[in-house]
Amino acid sequence: GQNIDQPTEMTATEGAIVQINCTYQTSGFNGLFWYQQHAGEAPTFLSYNVLDGLEEKGRFSSFLSRSKGYSYLLLKELQMKDSASYLCAVPRSGGYNKLIFGAGTRLAVHP
Amino acid sequence: DTGVSQDPRHKITKRGQNVTFRCDPISEHNRLYWYRQTLGQGPEFLTYFQNEAQLEKSRLLSDRFSAERPKGSFSTLEIQRTEQGDSAMYLCASTEEGSTYEQYFGPGTRLTVT
Repeated sequence: GQNIDQPTEMTATEGAIVQINCTYQTSGFNGLFWYQQHAGEAPTFLSYNVLDGLEEKGRFSSFLSRSKGYSYLLLKELQMKDSASYLCAVPRSGGYNKLIFGAGTRLAVHP
Repeated sequence: DTGVSQDPRHKITKRGQNVTFRCDPISEHNRLYWYRQTLGQGPEFLTYFQNEAQLEKSRLLSDRFSAERPKGSFSTLEIQRTEQGDSAMYLCASTEEGSTYEQYFGPGTRLTVT
C-alpha cells in the first residue's frame, strides 16, 4: 500500500523561511509532487522530484531522499499570499499515475 | 483560458436527487482523472480515463456513481440518489500521455447535499 504523512498545520512569519516535511511509503516509486491549494481553489503544481537532492525554483525548493522516503518543501521570503495548504503526492505505481495525496499541511503566514 | 474547466462550480441538492458534473480538460490531454476532496483532506482518486476508455475506478466509486468520456474530450460524473456523505469538492484533472505526470486541476465542483 501507500501512505503519506505530513504535519496538519504550521504557522510562520512574513519574510521568514518554513520547511514542510512529507514522509511516504510506496511499493514502487515514480516521483513525488508538491501542490499548493488555496482555500476553495484547485491544487496548483509546485514541483516534481524523481531523483535525490534539492531542486530550486524561485522562492520554493523541494528536496527528496528516496532511501529515507522523505521530502520537504522549503518556502523562503514568505509572503501573506503563501498562506495555503501544501499537498504532498505520489503517483501510484502501476496505477495509471493516479496521485495519492497526503492530507495537506495548512500554512498560515502572519505579519 | 486553456486550462481545465468544470461546471457547475457549486451545486446544492436535496438528498435523493441526481446530479451531473462536467469537466473539460486541456484540449491535447488524453488522460483525465476525477478526484473527491473533503474538508481538511487531500484529494482522493475516483476514476481515470485514457481517451474514451475508463481504465480504473476506485472502490470509493459506489454503484451510484458513473462517469463517462464519450468522445475522449469532455467528461461527466453523475451521482444518483445523492446522500449527505457525498458532500465534497469534486476535482477533475488532466495530463498529457508521456508527460512528467504533472496533472492540471480544474477549479472543482463543490457539492452540498442537504
